[in-house]
Amino acid sequence: DAKTTQPPSMDCAEGRAANLPCNHSTISGNEYVYWYRQIHSQGPQYIIHGLKNNETNEMASLIITEDRKSSTLILPHATLRDTAVYYCIVRVDNYGQNFVFGPGTRLSVLP
Amino acid sequence: SAVISQKPSRDICQRGTSLTIQCQVDSQVTMMFWYRQQPGQSLTLIATANQGSEATYESGFVIDKFPISRPNLTFSTLTVSNMSPEDSSIYLCSVAIHRATEAFFGQGTRLTVV
Repeated sequence: DAKTTQPPSMDCAEGRAANLPCNHSTISGNEYVYWYRQIHSQGPQYIIHGLKNNETNEMASLIITEDRKSSTLILPHATLRDTAVYYCIVRVDNYGQNFVFGPGTRLSVLP
Repeated sequence: SAVISQKPSRDICQRGTSLTIQCQVDSQVTMMFWYRQQPGQSLTLIATANQGSEATYESGFVIDKFPISRPNLTFSTLTVSNMSPEDSSIYLCSVAIHRATEAFFGQGTRLTVV
């Protein structure tokens, strides 16, 4: 699986959009971009994933660049409850495969 | 999705003892995994729990230290054997379900070894 690079930490004001970047310059054509988050003292929570088209769900939007070498997770209106560590993971989309977690980005949403 | 229940949620254990962590899922799942998260660190895969056969361990993890059982498609256990303070971590169960590529995680077991 390709390696990802994320900033170690970010701050965001409550109510503003949080934009979390991820670089994956060695991504292969059949690898998807997944995002998980881990709120303190909880297990990781799936957020969203995509291959090359932008994706949106009730939690977030995922913007993938045309060359697929980077992506951005967008939380449109961050709340204090969005404070967490966010993990960007690149992986072949196989059913039943485990995920390899990097250090992630620690997002702090400030009042 | 899948609802995962891990027990215990936390424990404080004496060194040299063993602790068995249970993972119960509300539906049959194709794959079950066990992860470790050391203090301040990210998650590391310990092993894949295989139904009806021996677990598949990642480099650095051995069966004698982390024996795993998976008697059916909804249940697995991880034992942390002969514990030392270095085993103090959060242990997480994860599952993959049929026709869903994302994985689901339990809330974890916070283990402190004294």
